Amino acid sequence: NAGVTQTPKFQVLKTGQSMTLQCAQDMNHNSMYWYRQDPGMGLRLIYYSASEGTTDKGEVPNGYNVSRLNKREFSLRLESAAPSQTSVYFCASQIILSGGGTDTQYFGPGTRLTVL
Amino acid sequence: GQQLNQSPQSMFIQEGEDVSMNCTSSSIFNTWLWYKQEPGEGPVLLIALYKAGELTSNGRLTAQFGITRKDSFLNISASIPSDVGIYFCAGQTGANNLFFGTGTRLTVIP
Repeated sequence: NAGVTQTPKFQVLKTGQSMTLQCAQDMNHNSMYWYRQDPGMGLRLIYYSASEGTTDKGEVPNGYNVSRLNKREFSLRLESAAPSQTSVYFCASQIILSGGGTDTQYFGPGTRLTVL
Repeated sequence: GQQLNQSPQSMFIQEGEDVSMNCTSSSIFNTWLWYKQEPGEGPVLLIALYKAGELTSNGRLTAQFGITRKDSFLNISASIPSDVGIYFCAGQTGANNLFFGTGTRLTVIP
């Protein structure tokens, strides 16, 4: 049981390049999330997927797209990377119970992205 | 987004000392959470609080959900070197609405 895994761990891009960050969870969770973490800002939600087949914008969605490929996988895509997207990106997953209750969010180890 | 003010920003303490940090918000939350993050890792949940006034312990850690639902504190007693890390509070209003504080960086001097 690996929990939440993310690839790659590190990435350097040039401005304008594109890339996809991968996330997978093996806990059978229905909800998945992408956050970015910047110095002094805490974690901010980019996009989330409440269930397979649905995605919604979070607090800072501009410049990103997401795909909920299946229940296990949730990818984040930067179509044209900008220096302002230099950050550490975390994926998380959570189970939403049928009565609406939740467990906590479990986080992956992060992807450190630098855009030059 | 919701603004959570966490203080202090950083702490340098001697091993064995107690630690106290807090988080305040202008908004009401249904759940307060405290996470710890170590270098190169994602945040890991320490304590979850679900009711106003709730006081919960997890080993040497104690956290409280403020009566107003707009604040929470975390205490660590008898700190040890492995307590080093960044501690984040987070407030949750709904299943998909989790807002993080800016973090408290804790350094424990042996």
